[in-house]
Amino acid sequence: DAGVIQSPRHEVTEMGQEVTLRCKPISGHNSLFWYRQTMMRGLELLIYFNNNVPIDDSGMPEDRFSAKMPNASFSTLKIQPSEPRDSAVYFCASSGRGRYEKLFFGSGTQLSVL
Amino acid sequence: AQSVTQLDSQVPVFEEAPVELRCNYSSSVSVYLFWYVQYPNQGLQLLLKYLSGSTLVKGINGFEAEFNKSQTSFHLRKPSVHISDTAEYFCAVSDGPGGSYIPTFGRGTSLIVHP
Repeated sequence: DAGVIQSPRHEVTEMGQEVTLRCKPISGHNSLFWYRQTMMRGLELLIYFNNNVPIDDSGMPEDRFSAKMPNASFSTLKIQPSEPRDSAVYFCASSGRGRYEKLFFGSGTQLSVL
Repeated sequence: AQSVTQLDSQVPVFEEAPVELRCNYSSSVSVYLFWYVQYPNQGLQLLLKYLSGSTLVKGINGFEAEFNKSQTSFHLRKPSVHISDTAEYFCAVSDGPGGSYIPTFGRGTSLIVHP
């Protein structure tokens, strides 16, 4: 199994541009999480999907952020327009059907907004 | 809602010395507890988890943790560290049966192993 795959690994963009981060979860996993990691705030949960349905998006910072999961094998996190304070590492993670299942993390996308 | 406090942001230690990384949690319900490790430029990987049963949990790479309900702690230990253990370590808690099961992570502890 290739694990959770995120793309791109690095993204450098200018303030105001649209940014789309992509994630392919492990096949058969039914839960998908988007986390953001910064030095100031640590690891924050942005949104959580179960069976492709968004369950908890209370961590999404503001309306500039949106996430979709059109099918079980693909999810996107979009920022429009991007701002310098969005610079962070964004992680996608997936887990299986057991509620206590461990999370499998992707390698992350390092986003820099100039 | 649960929360996690990792008391040390950075722990320097010499190779082959023992180490303890501290974690305290707060929760109003039964909990599941986890330790994850993050190596440079990688995602987090599960080291060990406590769901129920024995309070001493053994994980990968020689790490173990002990669940102490009265002190609401889940400290991570290793009797002898290697250079390769240098990484960021995250404690996480999620609600147990009847809860949301969504893990909340601590701020992380950077373990730095010196030769």
